[in-house]
Amino acid sequence: RKEVEQDPGPFNVPEGATVAFNCTYSNSASQSFFWYRQDCRKEPKLLMSVYSSGNEDGRFTAQLNRASQYISLLIRDSKLSDSATYLCVVKRSQGGKLIFGQGTELSVKP
Amino acid sequence: GAVVSQHPSWVICKSGTSVKIECRSLDFQATTMFWYRQFPKQSLMLMATSNEGSKATYEQGVEKDKFLINHASLTLSTLTVTSAHPEDSSFYICSAATSASSYNEQFFGPGTRLTVL
Repeated sequence: RKEVEQDPGPFNVPEGATVAFNCTYSNSASQSFFWYRQDCRKEPKLLMSVYSSGNEDGRFTAQLNRASQYISLLIRDSKLSDSATYLCVVKRSQGGKLIFGQGTELSVKP
Repeated sequence: GAVVSQHPSWVICKSGTSVKIECRSLDFQATTMFWYRQFPKQSLMLMATSNEGSKATYEQGVEKDKFLINHASLTLSTLTVTSAHPEDSSFYICSAATSASSYNEQFFGPGTRLTVL
C-alpha cells in the first residue's frame, strides 16, 4: 500500500464547476500536509499547506482529518488555468522527507 | 521567492554514458538538497538527501554507486547518472531547503528530462 494515496484521475469538468480531490495517508506520525500543483513537464509548485482547522485561499479550500488520516482540496468556480495535476504531499516527522501522492489530473474545459 | 535552477533542462544520451545534472540555489544558501525522480504518470520519488559537506543519504532501492551525488557548496549539488541505460530515462527534479525552513518548505528546480537511447 502506498503511503499517500489519491483519487485516480483524470477529472474532466466544465468551467465554473466545483471539484474535490481526496487523499489518504497511512503514516499516523505524519507531521505536515500540503497540496502541490504540477503542470505538464514542469516542477511541482506549492499550492497551499493544510491545517487541522481547515484553511482557505481564494477559491481553494483544504481540509485535514487526522483521525481518519484524510486530506481534501476543494476548488470552486474552476478556471481553465486550474488544469494541472494536483499532488497530495505529506511530510514525515522523522527526517522531514516529503512523500508525494501519485497526483490527480484535472482538466477544465470551456 | 527562493529560486532553484537545474542544468541541463533536458539531455539525450547513448546507453552506457554518464550524465551530470546540476542543481543550484540562486539566491539563498541550501544546507540540504533533495533529488527526486518522476516517471510518466507517477509520483515524485525521493532518491536521496544531500547535506552540504557530507555524504548523501539514499532511499531504499536507489543504487548509490549508480547515482552519484555531490553537495560541495551551499549553492550547488550535482547528480551523476553513471552508465545510463534506457530504464534510467526519467524526469529528475531537485529541491533545496535551508536549515531555517527545516524542510517545511522545499524550493524545487525546473527539472531535467533525461532520455537514454
